[in-house]
Amino acid sequence: DAGVIQSPRHEVTEMGQEVTLRCKPISGHDYLFWYRQTMMRGLELLIYFNNNVPIDDSGMPEDRFSAKMPNASFSTLKIQPSEPRDSAVYFCASRPSGRGEKLFFGSGTQLSVL
Amino acid sequence: SQKIEQNSEALNIQEGKTATLTCNYTNYSPAYLQWYRQDPGRGPVFLLLIRENEKEKRKERLKVTFDTTLKQSLFHITASQPADSATYLCALGGPSSNTGKLIFGQGTTLQVKP
Repeated sequence: DAGVIQSPRHEVTEMGQEVTLRCKPISGHDYLFWYRQTMMRGLELLIYFNNNVPIDDSGMPEDRFSAKMPNASFSTLKIQPSEPRDSAVYFCASRPSGRGEKLFFGSGTQLSVL
Repeated sequence: SQKIEQNSEALNIQEGKTATLTCNYTNYSPAYLQWYRQDPGRGPVFLLLIRENEKEKRKERLKVTFDTTLKQSLFHITASQPADSATYLCALGGPSSNTGKLIFGQGTTLQVKP
């Protein structure tokens, strides 16, 4: 398996633009997570899905952020409109069902909003 | 609110010594705790899992303890090597009502000098 695949690897955009980050989880994994990492705040959980259903979105910063999982092999995280404070590395991770199962992380998307 | 604290300052040790990293938490009752390693520019990689009813876990040169009374986990690397230099993150899973959730501390950077 190729692991969790995220795209793009790097994204540079201007304030006010829409940004869409993409994630393909490992086949057979029931859980998918979106995290954001910054020096100041560390690795923050934004939202996670179980069987394509959002379970906990309490970490989504505000209405500008939205996440979808239309099927078991694809998820998106959208920011509209983007702001400079959204600049961070966004990680997608997946894991199989079962209590305590480890997360497999993608390589992340480095987002810079100018 | 929930809080996870890891040593914010980098830990510098000499090769061959034992590195001990600390993870403290408040306002949380995790069902399990995990430790991850993160190298620059990469996503975190799983190392060890310990559950709420376990006191200690070992894997090769790694040892994790979990004290739910003190609300603390200790992560030990024995006979440390320069290749162990990385950032180490603890992650809390649960609580029981939300076992899919996994939140991370900010991580401790370990530097092992030859």
